Amino acid sequence: SAVISQKPSRDICQRGTSLTIQCQVDSQVTMMFWYRQQPGQSLTLIATANQGSEATYESGFVIDKFPISRPNLTFSTLTVSNMSPEDSSIYLCSAPGTSGNQETQYFGPGTRLLVL
Amino acid sequence: QQPVQSPQAVILREGEDAVINCSSSKALYSVHWYRQKHGEAPVFLMILLKGGEQKGHEKISASFNEKKQQSSLYLTASQLSYSGTYFCGTESGAGGTSYGKLTFGQGTILTVHP
Repeated sequence: SAVISQKPSRDICQRGTSLTIQCQVDSQVTMMFWYRQQPGQSLTLIATANQGSEATYESGFVIDKFPISRPNLTFSTLTVSNMSPEDSSIYLCSAPGTSGNQETQYFGPGTRLLVL
Repeated sequence: QQPVQSPQAVILREGEDAVINCSSSKALYSVHWYRQKHGEAPVFLMILLKGGEQKGHEKISASFNEKKQQSSLYLTASQLSYSGTYFCGTESGAGGTSYGKLTFGQGTILTVHP
């Protein structure tokens, strides 16, 4: 399995500001993933963070709103820019790890964001 | 496209069994099952690869019907600790641009009462 930590665990922000979320993995991984979970909803993939190249964004998500950095194989950041109340969600990062001899995705504890 | 889970919610008494289904309209490479308790991150339960295999983890098992693009999660002799929201995450390709990307169902809320 992979051990993943995130900072901050929660934050309350004012609209129009930006927040950067950090994700640390206990082993080197090629890809890390960022998900959003809106209140009472399922998880939606925002982007794939590749080390050494630009992040790949899913439909509906753009780099200007969610810039991502991936400076090394164990760390990534997601910034939520120019926030509005609609950005209030849980933001989770994930990274691959093995279960038995098969690979799956493990999740960090999440960052709970409330935008006022 | 998001896989469809059924039922949306189920209420059990301790010791009862439940089945949660996950259906996709796309060809699947793998299905990953997670349980999420309120205020916590999703916890990985098991992964099934195409090939129709069935796996077990204590009293929780799952199957994957490749032809139907459907997976089922079986919870037997449920315990209070089984309460939570269960998500299936599907992966449509082996490697390439689909690698590691999971598309999640809407979730099934399971409540176990004493």
